[in-house]
Amino acid sequence: LAKTTQPISMDSYEGQEVNITCSHNNIATNDYITWYQQFPSQGPRFIIQGYKTKVTNEVASLFIPADRKSSTLSLPRVSLSDTAVYYCLVGLDTGRRALTFGSGTRLQVQP
Amino acid sequence: NAGVTQTPKFQVLKTGQSMTLQCAQDMNHEYMSWYRQDPGMGLRLIHYSVGAGITDQGEVPNGYNVSRSTTEDFPLRLLSAAPSQTSVYFCASGTQESGTQHFGDGTRLSIL
Repeated sequence: LAKTTQPISMDSYEGQEVNITCSHNNIATNDYITWYQQFPSQGPRFIIQGYKTKVTNEVASLFIPADRKSSTLSLPRVSLSDTAVYYCLVGLDTGRRALTFGSGTRLQVQP
Repeated sequence: NAGVTQTPKFQVLKTGQSMTLQCAQDMNHEYMSWYRQDPGMGLRLIHYSVGAGITDQGEVPNGYNVSRSTTEDFPLRLLSAAPSQTSVYFCASGTQESGTQHFGDGTRLSIL
């Protein structure tokens, strides 16, 4: 399974765009990249998933370069409620779904 | 729309006791998994299942057993509780086609 590396923490202010980059040098051909958000005392919540290029939904955008060795989660105009831990996951072990979470990035949004 | 339901939400055990954490999902997902999350840490995979009757070990399986007799239920058993197993336990489910998982609200387990 591909190992991921993310910054431990990030700080931002309300209204700013936040970009969190995840490195996954050993990503396999069949692997997807998935991001989750976790608030204190809650289970992680799916944000976005992509395979290559760019994916956008109502919550975030995901940018994946051609070599797929990294990905960037972009949160437009963050608010205080975006304060959470963000996890980057990589891997679809074909036929088995042993998804491994890293330590995540703790995003603190200030007023 | 229940999603993934975990019971109990809180539990205190004494060392050496056994117990079962329950997890049920109503989305007909074939994939289910159990994670533990220690304070300030990420989630670590304990066991997972790709369908009824099939289970496999994750990163930290020692001290835990699972079974998957139905699609809906995936209980996690602590055989002989140890203080090192004090943690928050999350159950999740998902489909084989998607890389996404739906998580329950967790069970907070303390072992004295």
